[in-house]
Amino acid sequence: DGGITQSPKYLFRKEGQNVTLSCEQNLNHDAMYWYRQDPGQGLRLIYYSQIVNDFQKGDIAEGYSVSREKKESFPLTVTSAQKNPTAFYLCASSTPREGGGELFFGEGSRLTVL
Amino acid sequence: RKEVEQDPGPFNVPEGATVAFNCTYSNSASQSFFWYRQDCRKEPKLLMSVYSSGNEDGRFTAQLNRASQYISLLIRDSKLSDSATYLCVVNLGSTGRRALTFGSGTRLQVQP
Repeated sequence: DGGITQSPKYLFRKEGQNVTLSCEQNLNHDAMYWYRQDPGQGLRLIYYSQIVNDFQKGDIAEGYSVSREKKESFPLTVTSAQKNPTAFYLCASSTPREGGGELFFGEGSRLTVL
Repeated sequence: RKEVEQDPGPFNVPEGATVAFNCTYSNSASQSFFWYRQDCRKEPKLLMSVYSSGNEDGRFTAQLNRASQYISLLIRDSKLSDSATYLCVVNLGSTGRRALTFGSGTRLQVQP
């Protein structure tokens, strides 16, 4: 079955540590996205990539980094520079089209920084 | 002003009721509009796209009003299983950016 796999589902880290969240898709989608969701709030865009080896900052990119070396993979690193990293992180993919296409989401990674 | 704005609710309605949510967006150049549903602690899933002419899918009806820059979602004959958060999603039409902007969501609780 095609889909998006995020790992780990739950992650605990100490302050000051970098963590990398994995996102893999087998939907053959060109575009991939990382969103962050805080309690009672909508999703905010961190980074997105429309094609391999290219990515753009979203609205809240500070303290995060990404890479897109393969079409299937778009890992997100939460660095120690991110002031408030505890959140629910969602990876998504889509077939890009003008105006934006339907997003398919992974099940999310819940990061807690102690 | 937020780029995509929704009433957070919660909307508490009895089973069988009709309920409507509105969502306003800031950019008149916006091109695509969607409603997503998100269950507690789960990922969002597409409920329906919103077309200029309005569209219906079973008990759900979505409408777009470009002049007033809002979209709406109407749920008829509410079921317990409709309890969730409904996210309004818009492509705001920023040049070169093909990414969607999410509202904060409206929470619906259907009660027996």
